[in-house]
Amino acid sequence: AQSVTQLGSHVSVSEGALVLLRCNYSSSVPPYLFWYVQYPNQGLQLLLKYTSAATLVKGINGFEAEFKKSETSFHLTKPSAHMSDAAEYFCAVSPGTSGTYKYIFGTGTRLKVLA
Amino acid sequence: NAGVTQTPKFQVLKTGQSMTLQCAQDMNHEYMSWYRQDPGMGLRLIHYSVGAGITDQGEVPNGYNVSRSTTEDFPLRLLSAAPSQTSVYFCASGTRIRSGNTIYFGEGSWLTVV
Repeated sequence: AQSVTQLGSHVSVSEGALVLLRCNYSSSVPPYLFWYVQYPNQGLQLLLKYTSAATLVKGINGFEAEFKKSETSFHLTKPSAHMSDAAEYFCAVSPGTSGTYKYIFGTGTRLKVLA
Repeated sequence: NAGVTQTPKFQVLKTGQSMTLQCAQDMNHEYMSWYRQDPGMGLRLIHYSVGAGITDQGEVPNGYNVSRSTTEDFPLRLLSAAPSQTSVYFCASGTRIRSGNTIYFGEGSWLTVV
């Protein structure tokens, strides 16, 4: 069974400050992990993904995430927030190369960037 | 460059009516799925399919039916709409082949049941 927990449904940061969005997962098989971003009234766009290669993954728009197996975490970071980063962010888990082919999403974190 | 196409984009239904949300993908993906998005609840998996003729239930399947007769299409049927089914619905497709399980989303279908 798989599950995802995103801590903090709303996060506010000042422009230029560090962005940290938290994601913890549970998976009975080696997981693949994803971060998606959703802008208002749009679909979800892939930011980055972990697929069992490098544990530090770099994505689009300056975001990165680190897979920490011991902590079952996959937190999303960006060194300096920009106004255009304001959106909702979703963490997701799926089995890697084994297990039922199914994606489970967290409840999302809405990021607000303050001028 | 179509990707995942959902229709309709907006729909208003009366309680008890039935309708079908259409989803088509042109990427030859084996995996297709339907999610509903509600405030504070994220995306919840309704049904998914790992190939033509194969479907399975997700977290919230009640009130919805699906079928997968072709690789390209994965329609979602609401048999008797209820106000609790007011939501935004997203179709997604993906493949394990060469993409690391990445799934791609449609633009969404906004459904209101009155």
